[in-house]
Amino acid sequence: DQQVKQNSPSLSVQEGRISILNCDYTNSMFDYFLWYKKYPAEGPTFLISISSIKDKNEDGRFTVFLNKSAKHLSLHIVPSQPGDSAVYFCAAVTGANNLFFGTGTRLTVIP
Amino acid sequence: DSGVTQTPKHLITATGQRVTLRCSPRSGDLSVYWYQQSLDQGLQFLIQYYNGEERAKGNILERFSAQQFPDLHSELNLSSLELGDSALYFCASSVSISTDTQYFGPGTRLTVL
Repeated sequence: DQQVKQNSPSLSVQEGRISILNCDYTNSMFDYFLWYKKYPAEGPTFLISISSIKDKNEDGRFTVFLNKSAKHLSLHIVPSQPGDSAVYFCAAVTGANNLFFGTGTRLTVIP
Repeated sequence: DSGVTQTPKHLITATGQRVTLRCSPRSGDLSVYWYQQSLDQGLQFLIQYYNGEERAKGNILERFSAQQFPDLHSELNLSSLELGDSALYFCASSVSISTDTQYFGPGTRLTVL
């Protein structure tokens, strides 16, 4: 079974509104979490991360929230822009530096 | 378990050597992707195969090569290894050429001494 899950394969949002991408995990021993963004025909690029000891990390328009009790993290993009249209992967890292990826969510920002 | 298997899990070798990493995609998936995850570079896309044919190439060095076999498993060959090649190598698979959903394997940790 997947240790990191992104249950929504796709999401459409109007330009200027908030995009919320969700990720669930099963292993409570993950040390930190990452979000990657992927454009077509390119590899994923790192976006933002959060340590398991924090519940929020913000970088410009991107904020990641971590709810450890629910084993859930989310990426908020505010305001959403058409250039944000991409596939977003969440990933989780153990103390032994093992990395587990979700299956991705395609975000479409409609102008 | 994503259904994607990679072997070996760990590999320790010396500079100048050659290694082969193996990936078996999920049943039914025709597309295989290889990625390199290193501390300083993050996740780098190397190459994609679809049904035995190369479909997309990323930041793959000339010392590296890959192939996908008729049974759809894939191998990544790394030769003339350098210290900087030490990284986690991930394989992912998807159903078709451009499916966004990719299932990642557990990775192979390569250490070059």
